[in-house]
Amino acid sequence: GENVEQHPSTLSVQEGDSAVIKCTYSDSASNYFPWYKQELGKRPQLIIDIRSNVGEKKDQRIAVTLNKTAKHFSLHITETQPEDSAVYFCAANSGGSNYKLTFGKGTLLTVNP
Amino acid sequence: KAGVTQTPRYLIKTRGQQVTLSCSPISGHRSVSWYQQTPGQGLQFLFEYFSETQRNKGNFPGRFSGRQFSNSRSEMNVSTLELGDSALYLCASSLTGRGLYEQYFGPGTRLTVT
Repeated sequence: GENVEQHPSTLSVQEGDSAVIKCTYSDSASNYFPWYKQELGKRPQLIIDIRSNVGEKKDQRIAVTLNKTAKHFSLHITETQPEDSAVYFCAANSGGSNYKLTFGKGTLLTVNP
Repeated sequence: KAGVTQTPRYLIKTRGQQVTLSCSPISGHRSVSWYQQTPGQGLQFLFEYFSETQRNKGNFPGRFSGRQFSNSRSEMNVSTLELGDSALYLCASSLTGRGLYEQYFGPGTRLTVT
């Protein structure tokens, strides 16, 4: 089945710096890659997603890039703010007839003021 | 639109008991997926329902089961609870759940097994 690896597991940056989180996936048929942000005690929130027919997508300070050949995708957060501190999860859908998301183990991002 | 809701929010059960958790999807969403979240294993897929049919199942024992009703509301049941079943159980809804549409999560049910 699908396997999603996420790195790093923890990331600490200074306010205003950029943060990059990377994920790799194993199922070459995967074609949907969402990112979720989960603050302490809250539900995971979808922050951005990308489909396999595009290589990059941006939404204000966040962007996601996808390299289908290498089977990896990344989340980029620019001009980080303390409220960006949270656990970020990447995910990939299982291709074919499977209807499920496989999640990475998460990255704890801490933005220091 | 109201978001995904889950009841109850917290549960404490004893080993050997069974539990039923409920999930109401966003209005118009027909797919409901269930996940178990633990500090060690992260978010793990349990199963997904669409139009009252289970379309996919994760690698969990048969003690974990679910169903979906005609109004798209879903329940999951865990029988013969074990200590290791303590976790946050999250459901997520999407329009069709074909893996190409956004999934929106509920607040979760925190289950503690003692």
